[in-house]
Amino acid sequence: DIQMTQSPSLLSASVGDRVTINCKASQNINKYLNWYQQKLGEAPKLLIYNTNNLQTGIPSRFSGSGSGTDYTLTISSLQPEDFGTYFCFQHNSWPTFGAGTKLELK
Amino acid sequence: QVQLKESGPGLVQPSQTLSLTCTVAGFSLTSYNVHWVRQPPGKGLEWMGVIWNTGGTRYNSALKSRLSISKDTSKSQVFLKMNSLQTEDTATYYCARDRLGDWGQGVMVTVSS
Repeated sequence: DIQMTQSPSLLSASVGDRVTINCKASQNINKYLNWYQQKLGEAPKLLIYNTNNLQTGIPSRFSGSGSGTDYTLTISSLQPEDFGTYFCFQHNSWPTFGAGTKLELK
Repeated sequence: QVQLKESGPGLVQPSQTLSLTCTVAGFSLTSYNVHWVRQPPGKGLEWMGVIWNTGGTRYNSALKSRLSISKDTSKSQVFLKMNSLQTEDTATYYCARDRLGDWGQGVMVTVSS
């Protein structure tokens, strides 16, 4: 199975900051990498699919990049509603999630 | 409007079988895949398996021996069955469409005697 190593596990940031979250796969996942945001008590929400495609309705301050084994989610200017937990998810083969990054207010 | 809704028992006894239903609306199960994902309290997400629009299935290797996913396209329902439940199977269980772009609200299942 492909292992997804997500970092950092905890990120403290302020409104207006630029933040990045990383996922490293144990092998090439051919850009089949999605990013999700989850708030407490809610289902995850798809933000980015296949590395860099913005899901409909998601603000453009969210972006994704990467290739091979290394992928990044970037929030260009953090807004109050962006705090929560973020997960990466690879669906190249035998899908697996990263462990999550909790984004909290500094 | 795309909707998914999970239903099932909130409490299951250890060693028993869990049966969950995902009822969908706004799309056809003959056109879209449906996944099951679970999340233990306070922990991360675990992909469990998928039923393709064609009816084929794929399961998480760690759950494969205990898990079965099926569907009734005429009723727009997808079914999850998992046997030999243990306390570590306590989680919120979600169904989600296709590339996990649309999710149900989840159903909390507690395994306890």
